Amino acid sequence: NAGVTQTPKFQVLKTGQSMTLQCAQDMNHEYMSWYRQDPGMGLRLIHYSVGAGITDQGEVPNGYNVSRSTTEDFPLRLLSAAPSQTSVYFCASSPGPDEQYFGPGTRLTVT
Amino acid sequence: KQEVTQIPAALSVPEGENLVLNCSFTDSAIYNLQWFRQDPGKGLTSLLLIQSSQREQTSGRLNASLDKSSGRSTLYIAASQPGDSATYLCAVNTNAGKSTFGDGTTLTVKP
Repeated sequence: NAGVTQTPKFQVLKTGQSMTLQCAQDMNHEYMSWYRQDPGMGLRLIHYSVGAGITDQGEVPNGYNVSRSTTEDFPLRLLSAAPSQTSVYFCASSPGPDEQYFGPGTRLTVT
Repeated sequence: KQEVTQIPAALSVPEGENLVLNCSFTDSAIYNLQWFRQDPGKGLTSLLLIQSSQREQTSGRLNASLDKSSGRSTLYIAASQPGDSATYLCAVNTNAGKSTFGDGTTLTVKP
């Protein structure tokens, strides 16, 4: 099993550009989540999903969209990038409301 | 709104010392609590998961306790080693799949 994979590892965007961060898991987990981590801080929940076709907002959802068309994939879309979205983004999955498994992260810089 | 606090923010100890990291949360209606380790520039590694009905969990030199009614959890590390140096994060989870993280405790174990 590859576990949770995230692409790309690094990305630089200009203000106003859009992009999609990819997240995939091969463990058949129902629950998936996106977090952002700013320097010296913990993780903040952006969006989460408890199954295909079901998504909900977390603590900091503004400026981000998600969809969950399959169990395996949970992409995060930045609609119009802003410098405040410079952060490290982590995707996680779990079989239910249980132990979460994290991907390696995507380091995003918006100039 | 759930808030999670971790004290201290940073801790430096000599090798071999036993130590305790603290995690407190404001809403006791949690499903479980998870402790993670994060090395600099890396993702999160799960250490221990405690269900709301449990009082403690142990893995090797690590022991995590949970007092749900008082909104507190501790992570006890026995006989600390330089390899234990990392940031330790706790996360409280609802049964709806929503997680709230603390900002972490950065541990340095000096040889």
